[in-house]
Amino acid sequence: EAQVTQNPRYLITVTGKKLTVTCSQNMNHEYMSWYRQDPGLGLRQIYYSMNVEVTDKGDVPEGYKVSRKEKRNFPLILESPSPNQTSLYFCASRTGVLNTEAFFGQGTRLTVV
Amino acid sequence: GNSVTQMEGPVTLSEEAFLTINCTYTATGYPSLFWYVQYPGEGLQLLLKATKADDKGSNKGFEATYRKETTSFHLEKGSVQVSDSAVYFCALSETDDYKLSFGAGTTVTVRA
Repeated sequence: EAQVTQNPRYLITVTGKKLTVTCSQNMNHEYMSWYRQDPGLGLRQIYYSMNVEVTDKGDVPEGYKVSRKEKRNFPLILESPSPNQTSLYFCASRTGVLNTEAFFGQGTRLTVV
Repeated sequence: GNSVTQMEGPVTLSEEAFLTINCTYTATGYPSLFWYVQYPGEGLQLLLKATKADDKGSNKGFEATYRKETTSFHLEKGSVQVSDSAVYFCALSETDDYKLSFGAGTTVTVRA
């Protein structure tokens, strides 16, 4: 089954404690990205990756890092989380062909206290 | 830059009512347009799409027509069911870009 898998689904952490949210896709997609979803703002892109070892900033990259060492994995790293990073996070993947469907993970609900 | 403006929610309807969610966009080129749906506790999934002017996307009884002259892509369904309760997102991507730009989302609740 084609899917994007994120872990964990829920996470409560304290300010400043480094964390990683994992994302893995089994569709051999080139393009992967991270979004955060906040009420009234829709989804905003944090980072994206066109392929292995190729990453770039999206619209709201401050406070986040990513890596793409393998094609299937695209972890999101918060080196020093702050309360304003409390949000719902989605990983997505697409093929290298434009105008195709994006597949989304089930989301990670992060709370930073 | 690109932007998508959606009708404010929440929207509450009775079963079998007609649903319209307005979506307008601003883009520099000729974007592809999408509607994504998010059911409670789940990720987004594609509902329908249109890649050029006058195209009509349709799926599960939902329809949307790409109107270049009015820069709109309104979502419609003639008779909603309780199972259509979800958050609906309008989105676009430019022809030379993989990035999706999303609207704020519209929460729809259908009551039996």
